[in-house]
Amino acid sequence: KAGVTQTPRYLIKTRGQQVTLSCSPISGHRSVSWYQQTPGQGLQFLFEYFSETQRNKGNFPGRFSGRQFSNSRSEMNVSTLELGDSALYLCASSLEWYGSYNEQFFGPGTRLTVL
Amino acid sequence: EDKVVQSPLSLVVHEGDTVTLNCSYEVTNFRSLLWYKQEKKAPTFLFMLTSSGIEKKSGRLSSILDKKELSSILNITATQTGDSAIYLCAASSPHDMRFGAGTRLTVKP
Repeated sequence: KAGVTQTPRYLIKTRGQQVTLSCSPISGHRSVSWYQQTPGQGLQFLFEYFSETQRNKGNFPGRFSGRQFSNSRSEMNVSTLELGDSALYLCASSLEWYGSYNEQFFGPGTRLTVL
Repeated sequence: EDKVVQSPLSLVVHEGDTVTLNCSYEVTNFRSLLWYKQEKKAPTFLFMLTSSGIEKKSGRLSSILDKKELSSILNITATQTGDSAIYLCAASSPHDMRFGAGTRLTVKP
């Protein structure tokens, strides 16, 4: 079956702009999680959606938001971009939240560069 | 604050060597310990260890969870150049997934 897909793969924005990233999970997976990966901070959890509801949220400012649609596809939005938002944004899907012991499958990521 | 620490941060070995990667965790309401391999972009799942499954093995890779010491190890025997990657461990709780900084493994021919 098809894996997790993310679009776009690369994005260049300037400070102050906003951006929307998209993630399509593996068919049948209802949980979608988002992560930010930077050389300095590593992989950090942003939030997790399940059945169109945000169930878990990491320690990120309110500029980072997301949503999930009825077909489990998810979008992540970052408003008022800052230079420090430059990172690889990964989404991962699973049958359930990994707290329920299901493995996560990661997408290829979106590389965001903020100038 | 919850944290996951991996060691060493980087490791260079030759093909055929055996390596042991370490991961220690301090996570409230710990549920499971996961290992991932990251080569180019997306991390790929290796193992998940919980209180009901503290040892896993797949081919040349194996992992053990020590709940008393709050740590885990990932062993790779007879390493190959294709094992070169960053190995990430993560500790999950009901509301969070905390990753370590990763161990960069380089296997030389």
